[in-house]
Amino acid sequence: KQEVTQIPAALSVPEGENLVLNCSFTDSAIYNLQWFRQDPGKGLTSLLLIQSSQREQTSGRLNASLDKSSGRSTLYIAASQPGDSATYLCAVLTEGAQKLVFGQGTRLTINP
Amino acid sequence: EAGVVQSPRYKIIEKKQPVAFWCNPISGHNTLYWYLQNLGQGPELLIRYENEEAVDDSQLPKDRFSAERLKGVDSTLKIQPAELGDSAVYLCASSPRSGQGAFFGQGTRLTVV
Repeated sequence: KQEVTQIPAALSVPEGENLVLNCSFTDSAIYNLQWFRQDPGKGLTSLLLIQSSQREQTSGRLNASLDKSSGRSTLYIAASQPGDSATYLCAVLTEGAQKLVFGQGTRLTINP
Repeated sequence: EAGVVQSPRYKIIEKKQPVAFWCNPISGHNTLYWYLQNLGQGPELLIRYENEEAVDDSQLPKDRFSAERLKGVDSTLKIQPAELGDSAVYLCASSPRSGQGAFFGQGTRLTVV
């Protein structure tokens, strides 16, 4: 059974810092890995999608990497801003069952 | 292009009452998911459709939950009767086809009192 873990559960940093969020998964048989952002009381917004054959994806100040063999992904946020405050979730799409399995999320707070 | 649309956004019902949620996926998306999200937790899959076929409903509590996706487009999720523990956010997502990225709606926040 695929399990996804995100560390840390919560993170608070001052504005302007670069930061890394971590995601690990137990079964490397995945189609892709997706990072989402969730604001309080809202749905999930897709940030980046990395296919299993890719190593990284970039969008603006965000960069996500994937090391499928070791079961790890990182989301790098450059020059953080208060508007980046949200919960960040990673999810893997498993091969076979094609189930999208989520981690518990990292609650990020950027302090002005 | 419109995103995934869910309604209602909020619903408060008394326990033992029925409730239904509606989802309109992105046009052309064959795969549709219903997820349940408890406070402070990641979403958990309830059911996945490929067109109108439910291909994974192993996590759906079938004694009280039911879902349908008529004509492979809109979908409804029903709970009857609702229990206090069903209070959560119900999320709908769609994907062009299996193996591609998922897009989520705003969710329906259910409160059972």
